[in-house]
Amino acid sequence: GNSVTQMEGPVTLSEEAFLTINCTYTATGYPSLFWYVQYPGEGLQLLLKATKADDKGSNKGFEATYRKETTSFHLEKGSVQVSDSAVYFCALGRVSGGYNKLIFGAGTRLAVHP
Amino acid sequence: GAGVSQTPSNKVTEKGKYVELRCDPISGHTALYWYRQSLGQGPEFLIYFQGTGAADDSGLPNDRFFAVRPEGSVSTLKIQRTERGDSAVYLCASSPGPLQGDYGYTFGSGTRLTVV
Repeated sequence: GNSVTQMEGPVTLSEEAFLTINCTYTATGYPSLFWYVQYPGEGLQLLLKATKADDKGSNKGFEATYRKETTSFHLEKGSVQVSDSAVYFCALGRVSGGYNKLIFGAGTRLAVHP
Repeated sequence: GAGVSQTPSNKVTEKGKYVELRCDPISGHTALYWYRQSLGQGPEFLIYFQGTGAADDSGLPNDRFFAVRPEGSVSTLKIQRTERGDSAVYLCASSPGPLQGDYGYTFGSGTRLTVV
């Protein structure tokens, strides 16, 4: 079946530290891959995406590269800010039954301290 | 509307009661999705509507759960005989159509349901 596994949190970092949140997936075929972010009290927001192998998604200083050989889509940021504190969800998307279906990982909470 | 609106934002109910959760999608979006997010977990798919019809309800956990979208816009998720295990955040999302190339889901802020 299709599934997403991401590193457990919480991840606690100091401001300006380097961030990596690991994500691996299991899927038949070639899914699209996503990172969503959920800030406190807000809905899920799409952070970045990649639709095929070797694509790099980027937004707001975050990056992730679709690695088919390792079935991974790790999220990175070179210098985190306090405002990046949120829960991050890795997800895969498959066309199933005539529509796009998203399957999420369990989420990783990031806390950035000044 | 400008975004996906869910009401109420919080709902506390007693075990065994009936609840309704409402989702108002972005105007013109034909595809609507319900997800459930339990504490410490990622969102799990419940049901997908295309227009007025439930095209995929394979994620509904049991027959206590039901959802409708009678006019192809607002949707209501209905839970009968609530149990404490139903406590979760219920998320609604909509997209312009079922096969958007960028998976253009827009999520609402969710309804936090607590069954006591």
